[in-house]
This record gives sequence, structure tokens and C-alpha cells, in this order.
Amino acid sequence: DIQMTQSPSSLSASVGDRVSFTCRSSQNIDNYLNWYQLKPGKAPNLLIYAASILQSGVPSRFSGSGVGTDFTLTISSLQPEDFATYYCQQGYTPLWTFGQGTKVDI
Amino acid sequence: QVTLKESGPALVKPTQTLTLTCTFSGFSFSTTGVRMSWIRQPPGQALEWLARIDWDGETFYSTTLKSRLTISKDTSKNQVVLTMTNVDPVDTATYYCARGVGGILKDWGQGTLVTVSS
Repeated sequence: DIQMTQSPSSLSASVGDRVSFTCRSSQNIDNYLNWYQLKPGKAPNLLIYAASILQSGVPSRFSGSGVGTDFTLTISSLQPEDFATYYCQQGYTPLWTFGQGTKVDI
Repeated sequence: QVTLKESGPALVKPTQTLTLTCTFSGFSFSTTGVRMSWIRQPPGQALEWLARIDWDGETFYSTTLKSRLTISKDTSKNQVVLTMTNVDPVDTATYYCARGVGGILKDWGQGTLVTVSS
């Protein structure tokens, strides 16, 4: 199975900060990489798919980049509602896998 | 509007079989390319993809849980069912169903918390 490794596991930031975190796959997954946001008690929310395409309705402060094995999610100006945990997921192989998550808190 | 809702027991005893149902609306599971998955999140831990069933009935399972999982669909009822045999306290988690298109999990349910305890 493809292993997905996210870093850091957590980070502290302030409103208005630009933050980036990474996701690395154990093998080439082309651009079959998606990002999700999780908040306690809420349904997970798709943010970015195909590594860099913003899902409809997601604020433009979110962006994704990368191809192959290394990927990045960037929030250009952190807003109070962005404090959450973010997961990457590969959809390259039939058996999908998630990273371990990056928790963004104050 | 796509909606998904998970249902099942909140408490299950160790060694029992867990059956979870995802009831959905707003799309047809007969549409080519639609894939339904189950994902779980144990308390304080990461998301874990469990299983998937495609529009054509093909199924895929997590390597680590394959022997204990069965995913099935009832297109007429707009439902997808996951069964997990021989549950253990480590299976305590919030279980989500999600609609996938290609390899993307586009829509998710709110999740249902299942506790495994005697």
C-alpha cells in the first residue's frame, strides 16, 4: 500500500498568518492527491483535488501544489474558521490511503 | 443536493459483528464512476480508509482489515452497507461514508460513533 506522510503533525499559528504543510507519498502518485479539512463534530470537507484544483465553494486562500511524491497545502491568510485538522489522501491506487493529519491551532 | 447519512449501533460488544448502513440521496449509484467508501477515525487518531464499492459492484478493501470487512450496495434503496466481523475495542471510532468520483471523496456524511465495549 502507498504510505502518506504529513508534516508537521501540528502547528501553531495566528489569524492572518500564511501557513504551509506537506504530504509525501511513498511512491509516485502523479497528481492523484486530495486535501480534506476536519473539524470536530462536522463532516470532513474536500478542499483541493488533483493536487491543485480548488473544490467549488472553497475560499481562494487555500491552494495546493505538487506532483509525483511531494505535495503542499497553503493557506495564504489564516482565518479563525481554518483552525482544524487537514488530511491528504491518495487516489492513485485502488486502495486509498490518508496521511496522519496536520492539526492547525492557535 | 447530495446527502449521506450513516446509521448503526452506538455500542457493540467485543467479538460481535458490526453492521453500518449509509443512506444517500441526490445522486444515482448507477452512474458510471460513482464510488462509495467507508472511512473511520478512532478518537484522537487519523482517518483510515476501510472499503469501497463502485457503481459496477467491484469492491476494494483495506489490506489490514480485508479479512473482516464486507461492503455491499442496495441500489434500489440508495444504501451501502459495511459489515465488520469480530470487533475489538480498537475498532471504536467515528465511521463515515463518502461518495467518491474517481479517486476523490467529494461528499461525506456526518459520521456515526461506534463504541466497542463489554
